[in-house]
Amino acid sequence: QVQLQESGPGLVKPSETLSLTCTVSGGSISSGTYYWGWIRQPPGKGLEWIGSMSYTGTTYYNPSLKGRIAMSADTSKNLLSLQLNSVTAADTAVYYCARPLTPYALGPLHYWGQGTLVTVSS
Amino acid sequence: EIVLTQSPATLSVSPGERATLSCRASQGVSSNLAWYQQKPGQAPRLLIFGPSTRATGVPARFSGSGSGTEFTLTISSLQSEDFAVYYCQQYNEWPPITFGQGTRLEIK
Repeated sequence: QVQLQESGPGLVKPSETLSLTCTVSGGSISSGTYYWGWIRQPPGKGLEWIGSMSYTGTTYYNPSLKGRIAMSADTSKNLLSLQLNSVTAADTAVYYCARPLTPYALGPLHYWGQGTLVTVSS
Repeated sequence: EIVLTQSPATLSVSPGERATLSCRASQGVSSNLAWYQQKPGQAPRLLIFGPSTRATGVPARFSGSGSGTEFTLTISSLQSEDFAVYYCQQYNEWPPITFGQGTRLEIK
């Protein structure tokens, strides 16, 4: 059973860079071409897809955030990373990592982490 | 970008009754639509995809239907644990994959 766990600082200052990791257990991120996704949810609001990437480095980003996002994978540590730069209060959200049911697809998202709240505030 | 519009925003239903939730896409998404359930403080849970295949462990009272631009999630006999927020998601055309704004299912 694949399990995902997000981690990172809970508080980031405006204009700085938000950095999160997603540690994967129960399976290797390099065993199959899955597109590992990041999704966020502002408090009390809906879900927004941030982007997805495969362990080989193929990435798909939400155009609304493009230019601010960078995703990467560390196969030796079996983890994925998300960086979002120049953050503002609008980036305050619970951030989830997730994996689709099948390879070579961005959805549907079957496996989810429990999420981590990131607050942007000075 | 494909916009998904869910209706109603809030649905009040009594336990034991049927609930019908709708999701309309701004353009065709074929059968590449999924439904998620989210309870407070929890991550979304995949319920239905494809758009009528139940995910592992999802009770048979949940069913999905539709294709193209019109989709429906039906819960045949509501249980107390079904009261939550439900989101649809299209994964036909990306980037970006998109979610609807959600339907809150509350106890009447």
